Amino acid sequence: GESVGLHLPTLSVQEGDNSIINCAYSNSASDYFIWYKQESGKGPQFIIDIRSNMDKRQGQRVTVLLNKTVKHLSLQIAATQPGDSAVYFCAENQGYSTLTFGKGTMLLVSP
Amino acid sequence: EAEVAQSPRYKITEKSQAVAFWCDPISGHATLYWYRQILGQGPELLVQFQDESVVDDSQLPKDRFSAERLKGVDSTLKIQPAELGDSAMYLCASSQGRGRDEAFFGQGTRLTVV
Repeated sequence: GESVGLHLPTLSVQEGDNSIINCAYSNSASDYFIWYKQESGKGPQFIIDIRSNMDKRQGQRVTVLLNKTVKHLSLQIAATQPGDSAVYFCAENQGYSTLTFGKGTMLLVSP
Repeated sequence: EAEVAQSPRYKITEKSQAVAFWCDPISGHATLYWYRQILGQGPELLVQFQDESVVDDSQLPKDRFSAERLKGVDSTLKIQPAELGDSAMYLCASSQGRGRDEAFFGQGTRLTVV
């Protein structure tokens, strides 16, 4: 759902489950996308990126999927751990333009 | 590991006072960004530098905010006078500046205006 002020969309999972976090981006001309993880009181931390000429990219325990037709990005985290608890943001840009952030999703992982 | 340095980490100031934040980007990074993040929201760009030049300050409230990167390395963001609504996290980030490259963020400065 939409976030309003302090009310971020929240995904609650159990440790060991797979997590999927979704993001709808706005600019159909965007050609580069990044997922960031932000822990409380810290700056965003790079997780994984993908360019528009790809539809899937895998990292360690994470996979990003890009669907340009519907302007949708997702982050899959395998075997989610308590340390994965954070707010996750997708960001987009086009060429040399500014990196624009979407609304975040809070991931809560229970032991 | 190279990182973006910001200071101070926390700042409390009274409204109508002046406040300044400092950022030292990763060595060799041509692009430097200042973002503002209100609690519960994503970072929003205030200003983007390419070397010492401003390339985007369209969202910077220029009546009270100013930013400089005189030698194309470190940067200062100033607010004068501060208002209650300026309370937020101020994040600095840098990237190599080739476009389509990841931005690395500092730990941010948490500003509280009272």
